[in-house]
Amino acid sequence: DVKVTQSSRYLVKRTGEKVFLECVQDMDHENMFWYRQDPGLGLRLIYFSYDVKMKEKGDIPEGYSVSREKKERFSLILESASTNQTSMYLCASSPDRWEAFFGQGTRLTVV
Amino acid sequence: AQRVTQPEKLLSVFKGAPVELKCNYSYSGSPELFWYVQYSRQRLQLLLRHISRESIKGFTADLNKGETSFHLKKPFAQEEDSAMYYCALFNQAGTALIFGKGTTLSVSS
Repeated sequence: DVKVTQSSRYLVKRTGEKVFLECVQDMDHENMFWYRQDPGLGLRLIYFSYDVKMKEKGDIPEGYSVSREKKERFSLILESASTNQTSMYLCASSPDRWEAFFGQGTRLTVV
Repeated sequence: AQRVTQPEKLLSVFKGAPVELKCNYSYSGSPELFWYVQYSRQRLQLLLRHISRESIKGFTADLNKGETSFHLKKPFAQEEDSAMYYCALFNQAGTALIFGKGTTLSVSS
């Protein structure tokens, strides 16, 4: 059973803080993704990675960065959190061109 | 550029009625298309993929290249089908999964 685990279900941070969202998968998948999910806007791709140390910008990378030092772990970093980054963040992994498996999500509130 | 369009934010039907959730795409070549579903308080999960030509929970989806559509259909809706449905496709490189904005399906008795 594929497992994608996000480190926190709920997070509350202050404006200007540096925030780390962690994601770990246990199926040796090449691809990993970070999305944010907002009502009416669906899932928007922030960053993705197709290999260790490789990363590519998605549709909305501004204000975010990522790190993939090991194949199983993909971290999303908010350099200086702002209130408009309050959202549900979803991590996913997939083998090449196949089904994506999602984590349970992290609901981040920036106050 | 690759794009997925789901024109309906909300679809409300009665139990037993037919359901069609619309999905149109923009892609150069042969796309790999998927439907994902998110039930209340559960994680997003795959419902079906076009390449498998399968029926899951009574749902089917046919790729129509002429109309660039991949609509999700079910002949008789059940209350447990109420959920958020997303249509998605892989980008040309096969490295990123691109989603539509989603359609909420509400089935009432």
